[in-house]
Amino acid sequence: AQSVAQPEDQVNVAEGNPLTVKCTYSVSGNPYLFWYVQYPNRGLQFLLKYITGDNLVKGSYGFEAEFNKSQTSFHLKKPSALVSDSALYFCAVRDGNAGNMLTFGGGTRLMVKP
Amino acid sequence: DTEVTQTPKHLVMGMTNKKSLKCEQHMGHRAMYWYKQKAKKPPELMFVYSYEKLSINESVPSRFSPECPNSSLLNLHLHALQPEDSALYLCASSQDPRGLGETQYFGPGTRLLVL
Repeated sequence: AQSVAQPEDQVNVAEGNPLTVKCTYSVSGNPYLFWYVQYPNRGLQFLLKYITGDNLVKGSYGFEAEFNKSQTSFHLKKPSALVSDSALYFCAVRDGNAGNMLTFGGGTRLMVKP
Repeated sequence: DTEVTQTPKHLVMGMTNKKSLKCEQHMGHRAMYWYKQKAKKPPELMFVYSYEKLSINESVPSRFSPECPNSSLLNLHLHALQPEDSALYLCASSQDPRGLGETQYFGPGTRLLVL
């Protein structure tokens, strides 16, 4: 069965500093990996995804993520955090062997302080 | 345009009421989804429609009844709900139901409160 873990409930970072939000996954087939962001009382907004190809994926709002097959990780990164990046971030995975179901991690709250 | 719209934004209903949530997309997507999200938790899949046919029902109680009148519209009919059904209900769509790499695009959600 596919699963996703986001080991940190909350990440705190100062504005202007780099940020990392961690995600690890478990699948039996090829992984299809996604990051979404959710602002308060809003729906999920797609940031980026890894399907195949380059391990470094660039997405919206300056975010990027690095796919690491050996560590089964897909950490979200940004070189310089903004206060407006403060939100709830979800990693999600789809297993190439398990149909079309998307499994979400538990979410990580990012707090960027001025 | 990657917009999924949902109405209403907020809904308060009693346990004996009947109400409906609506979702619409005009991206030509052929897969549509209903999710339920509790506060500070990830979305939980409820239903999936592929080519206007119900393909997945995640053992959702019958007081929730989905409907897909056409390829652009998705409804969720609510009847005799319980207070624990209070949550944010999210609709999503993706282009190809068979595409493993397809992105799901989410609407803003309907915040439901059951009294």
